[in-house]
Amino acid sequence: DTGVSQDPRHKITKRGQNVTFRCDPISEHNRLYWYRQTLGQGPEFLTYFQNEAQLEKSRLLSDRFSAERPKGSFSTLEIQRTEQGDSAMYLCASMVAGANYGYTFGSGTRLTVV
Amino acid sequence: AQSVSQHNHHVILSEAASLELGCNYSYGGTVNLFWYVQYPGQHLQLLLKYFSGDPLVKGIKGFEAEFIKSKFSFNLRKPSVQWSDTAEYFCAVNAHAAGNKLTFGGGTRVLVKP
Repeated sequence: DTGVSQDPRHKITKRGQNVTFRCDPISEHNRLYWYRQTLGQGPEFLTYFQNEAQLEKSRLLSDRFSAERPKGSFSTLEIQRTEQGDSAMYLCASMVAGANYGYTFGSGTRLTVV
Repeated sequence: AQSVSQHNHHVILSEAASLELGCNYSYGGTVNLFWYVQYPGQHLQLLLKYFSGDPLVKGIKGFEAEFIKSKFSFNLRKPSVQWSDTAEYFCAVNAHAAGNKLTFGGGTRVLVKP
């Protein structure tokens, strides 16, 4: 599969626990984006990277959230001390910077905080 | 900051009916416009996009959209829907200065009855 891969597909965690999600973009894509989608809403931007540099973070990304892309390839999104309000689908997308097309999205990680 | 409004949350129609989904955005500068589709159980897929040129753009599966700059609109149309068009449709906007960051509308769930 040469698309964007996200792992795990589903995660159920207890409130207060830490979780980490992984995204593997398409290999030649230097831009990687994280979005969050709650039920009945469209995706909301969280953060994005160009290569290993994190270029922008949304105000939605509280101090409990951190994202990395250490070698400019895969990325991780960590949520510390999860809260019930963190329950959502976390989407990853990638593209080549400056390319004249839209993103390629992954299938997402569905987080449920109980 | 830009915002996107999709007027219909749910649309139900019969096969062969025509479909039009409204999308309006608010942003004063130059934008790129997208429609994404999410079929049940699948990831977001690009349906069509507008970057420049002819404001009537054609996408996959017989969909088209028209960019009307004066109305800040980018409505999606299909003359004759099929049962397989049952999905959620998202309009999205990217301001040219925003690093390909997308702002999504809330989505429209379309149910096509056979």
